[in-house]
Amino acid sequence: QSVLTQPPSVAGAPGQRVTISCTGSSSNIGADYDVHWYQQFSGTAPKLLISSDSNRPSGVPDRFSGSKSDTSASLAITGLQAQDEAVYYCQSYDTILSAWVFGGGTKLTVL
Amino acid sequence: QVQLQESGPGLVKPSQTLSLTCTISGGSITTGGYYWNWIRQHPGGGLEWIAYIHYSGTTHYNPSLKSRASISLGTSDYVFSLTMTSVTAADTGMYFCARGLAGTYGWFDPWGEGTPVIVSS
Repeated sequence: QSVLTQPPSVAGAPGQRVTISCTGSSSNIGADYDVHWYQQFSGTAPKLLISSDSNRPSGVPDRFSGSKSDTSASLAITGLQAQDEAVYYCQSYDTILSAWVFGGGTKLTVL
Repeated sequence: QVQLQESGPGLVKPSQTLSLTCTISGGSITTGGYYWNWIRQHPGGGLEWIAYIHYSGTTHYNPSLKSRASISLGTSDYVFSLTMTSVTAADTGMYFCARGLAGTYGWFDPWGEGTPVIVSS
């Protein structure tokens, strides 16, 4: 059971927009700790996709965007492409657990 | 750019001690503003942060693993290690080292490619 809750899967057709939610609590996202997002292709390591709620590291397309509100965060992907098929994880810090925590991951399928 | 590479035994027997090493290239542990982390991924996909070390020697552990995990600096500025005692099948997974932005608001980037660990007799 992950501290941050994500839907197990989402799907969309090429060109569409999808969003992935990440729900936390008052001890992590709700305590205003930053949320970061990672993209992981099968057999590879996670790669930082969005940092500090909504910042795109160099090289990340502007089709990817992040937002945060209250105890939740979201990752939006517009103009969906087949190459976006991957598992996406959110990450934050939990002050009660005194640890960095991750969501369970969301598998994105491009139909 | 900074790159990390994990190394480990692959297979460990239950109750034994696991030892992993992370080698840094393109940078060093002494670069200010970063923590150096171990993170593992269970076979089902879940990610779990294990511990970090700062070049000053400061460490912090996931309380769920603190009694069994130990992170340490290597003999050079380009290596750090993780040992985990009394391993069980639940410790099976992929182990990654990653650079983390210092502070509780930090992210992890980059990650090594990971080293698989199987706990089995």
